[in-house]
Order: sequence, then structure tokens, then C-alpha cells
Amino acid sequence: AQKVTQAQTEISVVEKEDVTLDCVYETRDTTYYLFWYKQPPSGELVFLIRRNSFDEQNEISGRYSWNFQKSTSSFNFTITASQVVDSAVYFCALSEVSGGGADGLTFGKGTHLIIQP
Amino acid sequence: EPEVTQTPSHQVTQMGQEVILRCVPISNHLYFYWYRQILGQKVEFLVSFYNNEISEKSEIFDDQFSVERPDGSNFTLKIRSTKLEDSAMYFCASSVGTSSSYNEQFFGPGTRLTVL
Repeated sequence: AQKVTQAQTEISVVEKEDVTLDCVYETRDTTYYLFWYKQPPSGELVFLIRRNSFDEQNEISGRYSWNFQKSTSSFNFTITASQVVDSAVYFCALSEVSGGGADGLTFGKGTHLIIQP
Repeated sequence: EPEVTQTPSHQVTQMGQEVILRCVPISNHLYFYWYRQILGQKVEFLVSFYNNEISEKSEIFDDQFSVERPDGSNFTLKIRSTKLEDSAMYFCASSVGTSSSYNEQFFGPGTRLTVL
């Protein structure tokens, strides 16, 4: 069975600090996808990134970067120079590939990130 | 930018009543999903839907739940006889289904269901 663990329940940093959110996953499949979503206080889920299991290249998008390491089954998310607007709950998620294309996501419990001014 | 919409934003119902939550997925998307999030907890997958039938469902999605695409735009989740523990935020999501965007799911704003 697949599982996603986000061990950090809550992180609080001061604005402009860098912060890394950890995500560890478990799956028996060799083909799978990993995701990060942001849930701001307003409650919606905002898609941030999708990664497939064959692509271990790190990705950078502005202040956001993601480090995917299959050897440790981790897909960590770093925010550089954090801002108050980054305050949210961040979810890591995993989907195995059934071949049907309609695979449900398995979410971690989320990390509540608080950026203090 | 196209987005998933959901109505109502908040639904209050009495235990034992039937509720229907509505979603309009992004227009060119082919795959549709329902998730729920009990307050303060993680998001849980309920069901996925493709080509007018259920593709995958979780253990949560028991006989009390059903989904339907009654027309070309709406996607609904029905709970036949609500229980107190059905109180949660229900999210609809959709994905386009192309290989380059495989399973990239975009979520609606959610419907908060309160069962009294």
C-alpha cells in the first residue's frame, strides 16, 4: 500500500529565512507520480508541482525548489527567502499508475508553515 | 484561467438526509475526482470517474455514496443518508488526461458539509 509521511506538523520561521518541508513516501510500484499542493487559509488546494518516478532532476521555480531522491524515497520542498504569503499548509501526495489515468492521490498529513514578519 | 467550480460553498443538513454536492470540472478535462478533508486532517481520496463510469474508489466510498455526470458539464457526489462523521470539506478535482499532464489534478474551492 502507498503511504506519504510528512513528519513536520508545523514549522515557524521568520520572513526571508529558507525553509525545507520534508516528504517521505512508500510505494511498491516502480512507476508513480509525486505532487506538492498548497492550502492557504482560504482553504483551496493549489497545485504546485508533479514529478514522475523516472525524473530525478531537481526543479526550481522562482523561490521554490524540489529535491527528489529515489534512494531515500524523499521529495522535499524548499522555499528560499520565505514571505508571509507563503504561510499555508503544504501537502505532499503520491499516485501510483494503474494505467487508467484516473488514479487517486494519497496525501500526507500536511505541514503547517508559518512565516512571521 | 479555467478553474473547477463547486456549489454550494457550504451545506448544512440534518443527519439522515440526502445531499448532492455539485462540481463543474474544467471543460476539456476527462478525469474527475472527489476527495474529502475532515477538519484539521489530511485530504482523502474518495472516487475517480472517467468515460461515465467509476474508475477507482477508496474504502471510504461505500454504498452511501454515488457519483454521476448528469450532463456534459456537471459532476455530482450524492450522499444518501448523511451521518455526523460525513461532516467535512469535499473537494472536486479534474485532470486533462494527456500523457504530458498525467494525473495533474486541479481542485475546486470545496464544499463544506456540516451534518447536524
